[in-house]
Amino acid sequence: QKEVEQDPGPLSVPEGAIVSLNCTYSNSAFQYFMWYRQYSRKGPELLMYTYSSGNKEDGRFTAQVDKSSKYISLFIRDSQPSDSATYLCAMTQTLIQGAQKLVFGQGTRLTINP
Amino acid sequence: EAGVTQFPSHSVIEKGQTVTLRCDPISGHDNLYWYRRVMGKEIKFLLHFVKESKQDESGMPNNRFLAERTGGTYSTLKVQPAELEDSGVYFCASSQEASYGELFFGEGSRLTVL
Repeated sequence: QKEVEQDPGPLSVPEGAIVSLNCTYSNSAFQYFMWYRQYSRKGPELLMYTYSSGNKEDGRFTAQVDKSSKYISLFIRDSQPSDSATYLCAMTQTLIQGAQKLVFGQGTRLTINP
Repeated sequence: EAGVTQFPSHSVIEKGQTVTLRCDPISGHDNLYWYRRVMGKEIKFLLHFVKESKQDESGMPNNRFLAERTGGTYSTLKVQPAELEDSGVYFCASSQEASYGELFFGEGSRLTVL
């Protein structure tokens, strides 16, 4: 069983829609949860990270962590064609001295149609 | 400020040959990571350097893979001899020592083993 499960999609929605991306995980020791965005032929770039449970909002993006259910979500409001990319969830147990042994989900390919 | 740069962007080699991938991290970043994504799978951790020292190499698949970081600056990842299953995209990432949640990834080196 994979430590992190993420539906690879593809997911296609119209411009302006609310997008919900999700991951589940099995390792209860995970404490830091990230969402990365990856455009085609580029490296992943950090969108948001959260520590432990709760919500975090940044502009049109909201990250949600439910540790009791081992479930994390990323919501995108007012989606734009420029949001079309692969979204990767990632998590890790500890960030001692910047150490980030991240465990990634497979990534969800998202397309926003104009 | 320059980002993480990787070379080559794409390498095609025959099974049994040797390939060396190079990564130049962001200047001043002591932490350097190698990750790999093979076809259809998630991105997986290979190893972590702090300056010139290997902090964690638990993700290295076998002894055909050798990573070095000369003088704590750039890093190389050598695969010798390459096998078909080594094909994939090799990502390098770097972070500052006190950074939380901020890994900066390069665009990746795509390796194809025929």
